[in-house]
Formats: sequence, structure tokens, C-alpha cells
Amino acid sequence: GAGVSQSPSNKVTEKGKDVELRCDPISGHTALYWYRQSLGQGLEFLIYFQGNSAPDKSGLPSDRFSAERTGGSVSTLTIQRTQQEDSAVYLCASSLYTSGGYTFGSGTRLTVV
Amino acid sequence: DQQVKQNSPSLSVQEGRISILNCDYTNSMFDYFLWYKKYPAEGPTFLISISSIKDKNEDGRFTVFLNKSAKHLSLHIVPSQPGDSAVYFCAAAGANSKLTFGKGITLSVRP
Repeated sequence: GAGVSQSPSNKVTEKGKDVELRCDPISGHTALYWYRQSLGQGLEFLIYFQGNSAPDKSGLPSDRFSAERTGGSVSTLTIQRTQQEDSAVYLCASSLYTSGGYTFGSGTRLTVV
Repeated sequence: DQQVKQNSPSLSVQEGRISILNCDYTNSMFDYFLWYKKYPAEGPTFLISISSIKDKNEDGRFTVFLNKSAKHLSLHIVPSQPGDSAVYFCAAAGANSKLTFGKGITLSVRP
């Protein structure tokens, strides 16, 4: 597609439920990143996929968080047993080169009540 | 431990004047620096970048300056326009290309 697409744009879930957030990167982009922005905070790195390499999961805040990237394209970020502190905007980005600017999606605003 | 710091949370300038947004970093392995602009309810958009082999990069009204010895970069916007009002994020990358972002600064340009 023309840009990075994320769905849903908004998600309200009850504490303890699992959620899945989807990212569809720009076609042909080999690198895919997940970040999140909590209220009043900067962009916090979560996980990075580059081609067929093992993903860099160093930013995942707990083992409740996991992500997959199927076929080198679409990625799903899963949060199990959501907590209120998981409330944030989750941003996905993709890039063609290993250096250079990312293209971000519009994000998924997750609210855990 | 914040590796990229934007110490001022906000900046307000008059239309037509210069906006100077500052950013400091601590990791000497960073060799590529970027600025992103973010409007509410949208994802950040790439604005301008600079490699560590340069000390200045200019694109229209936007200029980024890099002082490697001070581990400091700044974004200059001149002349500032009301449409420039947004949150600006500084970001840095090393060899692994993973971007580390600052907390952002909210720029308000008064008409």
C-alpha cells in the first residue's frame, strides 16, 4: 500500500483481556518496528524485525508482550492479560534501508479499563 | 537511562521568527540523527536527517546542526509558520539502525 496501515485505530479493552494489534507495512520494506507512546512520554522502542533475521525483542516490557511478522510483511503485536499501564498509542513503522527515516502508521490507541 | 534528551517540553514563538529545537545524546555510537514531526492523532512524519560526517543539513526552512563533540543537535525553523505547530521528536541511530527517540517538544507558533 501507499503507507503503513495499522488496525484497529482505537481499542478499548478490559483489564486482563488479550489484544492483538495489526501492522501492514509499506510493500517491499524489509524492516518493521513497533514503538509505543504513553501519555507524556516519548516513543518507546518495543521490537524490530529485519528481513529473515531474528527479531530484536529487547524493548518488550514484559513476557505478556509478543510480536510476529508473517511472510516478511504483516506484523501482529499481542498483549496478553492487559494491564492499565499498557494504555498507550502503539505505533508501527517500516523502512526500506537499514539507515534512513522510518515511515510510521497512524497508530493504535489502546485503552485498558 | 535516556540516551536522547529533549530537555524542554515546549516552545512558543511568534510567526516569522526562528524556532530552535534542541536535542542532546549520550551514546557515542550514534551516527545518524533525525527529526520527526507529529500532529495529534497521526503518526510521526520524517522531517530531516543528518549523518555524523556532516555538521549541517538544510532543507528549505529547516536546518539541522550537529555538534559531535558536544553530543548536541538542533533543528532550526525559519521563518516559523503556524502550520509548524506540532510535537517534534529528535531520534538517533547507530549501526543497528534502531531509532532511539527523545520525549519530544511541543512547538507553538503564534500568528
